[in-house]
Amino acid sequence: NAGVTQTPKFQVLKTGQSMTLQCAQDMNHEYMSWYRQDPGMGLRLIHYSVGAGITDQGEVPNGYNVSRSTTEDFPLRLLSAAPSQTSVYFCASSYNRDPNEQFFGPGTRLTVL
Amino acid sequence: TQLLEQSPQFLSIQEGENLTVYCNSSSVFSSLQWYRQEPGEGPVLLVTVVTGGEVKKLKRLTFQFGDARKDSSLHITAAQPGDTGLYLCAGGGIADSWGKLQFGAGTQVVVTP
Repeated sequence: NAGVTQTPKFQVLKTGQSMTLQCAQDMNHEYMSWYRQDPGMGLRLIHYSVGAGITDQGEVPNGYNVSRSTTEDFPLRLLSAAPSQTSVYFCASSYNRDPNEQFFGPGTRLTVL
Repeated sequence: TQLLEQSPQFLSIQEGENLTVYCNSSSVFSSLQWYRQEPGEGPVLLVTVVTGGEVKKLKRLTFQFGDARKDSSLHITAAQPGDTGLYLCAGGGIADSWGKLQFGAGTQVVVTP
């Protein structure tokens, strides 16, 4: 099993550009989530999904869109990047029976100039 | 505002010493997780504690969950350089927050040979 995979590993954007961060898992987990990690602030939940076709907002959803068309994939879209979105982004997955025991991907380091 | 407060923020010790990391909150959690994160990687789950007063041991790591399920501690005995990393506590299960995991800001532990 590859576990949770994320692409790209690094990305530099200019303000106003759009992009999609990819996340995939091969563990048949129902639950998937996106976090951002900023210095001194731990991980903050952006969006999460409890299954294909079902998504909900986390703590910091503004500026980000998600969709979940399959169990395996959970892409995160930035429609118009802003410098405040410079961060490290992590995708995670788990079984619905215990969404707190999450498996994390290796992260995407995003810089918005 | 962080729901989970971790202390200390940074801890530097020598190999063989003991250390304790604390995770405190004013909220009651249905479960609390401890994760360890190494540079350039995603967090990895160490343990889940569920019952108030619970103590779990993982080799040289001892985890305690407070009686009121509001706080937790991680104690490492005879620390080794391989214990170096960012230790994160996370809690879930606050009312109406199923699936919304809250993370502390983390404690950076450095163990020098």
